[in-house]
Amino acid sequence: KAGVTQTPRYLIKTRGQQVTLSCSPISGHRSVSWYQQTPGQGLQFLFEYFSETQRNKGNFPGRFSGRQFSNSRSEMNVSTLELGDSALYLCASSGRDPNNEQFFGPGTRLTVL
Amino acid sequence: GDSVTQMEGPVTLSEEAFLTINCTYTATGYPSLFWYVQYPGEGLQLLLKATKADDKGSNKGFEATYRKETTSFHLEKGSVQVSDSAVYFCALRKGGKLIFGQGTELSVKP
Repeated sequence: KAGVTQTPRYLIKTRGQQVTLSCSPISGHRSVSWYQQTPGQGLQFLFEYFSETQRNKGNFPGRFSGRQFSNSRSEMNVSTLELGDSALYLCASSGRDPNNEQFFGPGTRLTVL
Repeated sequence: GDSVTQMEGPVTLSEEAFLTINCTYTATGYPSLFWYVQYPGEGLQLLLKATKADDKGSNKGFEATYRKETTSFHLEKGSVQVSDSAVYFCALRKGGKLIFGQGTELSVKP
């Protein structure tokens, strides 16, 4: 079974731009979660989608948004990029039970200049 | 709120040494507990998990026991290898999100 895939793997943007990251979950998984990883703040939860609905949300500003499609693929969008948005963005998928383990993709490395 | 605290790194060991990475948590209820490992330039890989008190998770020689009385989930391995060098994250799961500790970098020297 193929793992979680994320595209692109690397991105360089400038302040003020917007960016869209994509995540394809493991086949059959309907829950997709997004995390931001930075050296200073560590791993922080952004949001979770299940069956095209946002089920949970972390403490990030409204510039961070996401969506999920009927095939469970998910996208995350960051608008008006700031230098502090430079991070590794990780996507994870899991099954229906919210207590199932999450399987992570390789991440998208975003650099904001 | 819910949180996870790990021992600070980096931890440097010689090959075949015994490893312990301490992890304690604060949470309401009985969350599932996990250890994830991250190799350089990669995402997180699930190492092991425990879903209820006294459960022992194990994988690839690593073990951790869910201790409700001490709210701990310490990671242990009897004999580390150079290939175990990575960053280890303890996490708890509440509903749909994982709450991570700050990570512990392990370096194993030959």
